[in-house]
Amino acid sequence: DGGITQSPKYLFRKEGQNVTLSCEQNLNHDAMYWYRQDPGQGLRLIYYSQIVNDFQKGDIAEGYSVSREKKESFPLTVTSAQKNPTAFYLCASRRSTGVSYGYTFGSGTRLTVV
Amino acid sequence: DQQVKQNSPSLSVQEGRISILNCDYTNSMFDYFLWYKKYPAEGPTFLISISSIKDKNEDGRFTVFLNKSAKHLSLHIVPSQPGDSAVYFCAASASGSARQLTFGSGTQLTVLP
Repeated sequence: DGGITQSPKYLFRKEGQNVTLSCEQNLNHDAMYWYRQDPGQGLRLIYYSQIVNDFQKGDIAEGYSVSREKKESFPLTVTSAQKNPTAFYLCASRRSTGVSYGYTFGSGTRLTVV
Repeated sequence: DQQVKQNSPSLSVQEGRISILNCDYTNSMFDYFLWYKKYPAEGPTFLISISSIKDKNEDGRFTVFLNKSAKHLSLHIVPSQPGDSAVYFCAASASGSARQLTFGSGTQLTVLP
């Protein structure tokens, strides 16, 4: 079955450390996205990539970095510059063609700074 | 500046009755709208969508209505079931925007047995 895999499901980070969240998809989707969810707020876009080796900042990119070296993979690094990194992180992908404009989401990673 | 708004953070409904979740948007360039359902600690799952060329789309117990002049859409669930208890997100996209989805803040639906 095709889908998106995010790992790990729970992640703890000490203040001042960088941490990388993994996102892998086998749906052959071109576009991939990272969102952040905080309590009482919607999903806010961090970064997105429409094609390999290209990515764009979303609404809240400060303190985050990404890479897109392979179509299947879009890892997100939460750097020490991110002031409030504790949140639920969601990765998503989408076909670039066809009538469906919806995303397929992974199951998320809960990051906690300790 | 929230372009997609869900003004009700929570809604409680009796099992078997109708649930109506509302969503307003401000960007007139949005031409495709979706509803997602999310359980705690899981990713959202797609529920139903509607293009701006339609005003209604139905899928089983779920119906989405779009009122373009009012920039308003709603999701109707009939009949509501306890398993429908979840957070529902409204989302919208516009052509030429890499089809990014802009999400509302979500509505927690609780269906009481």
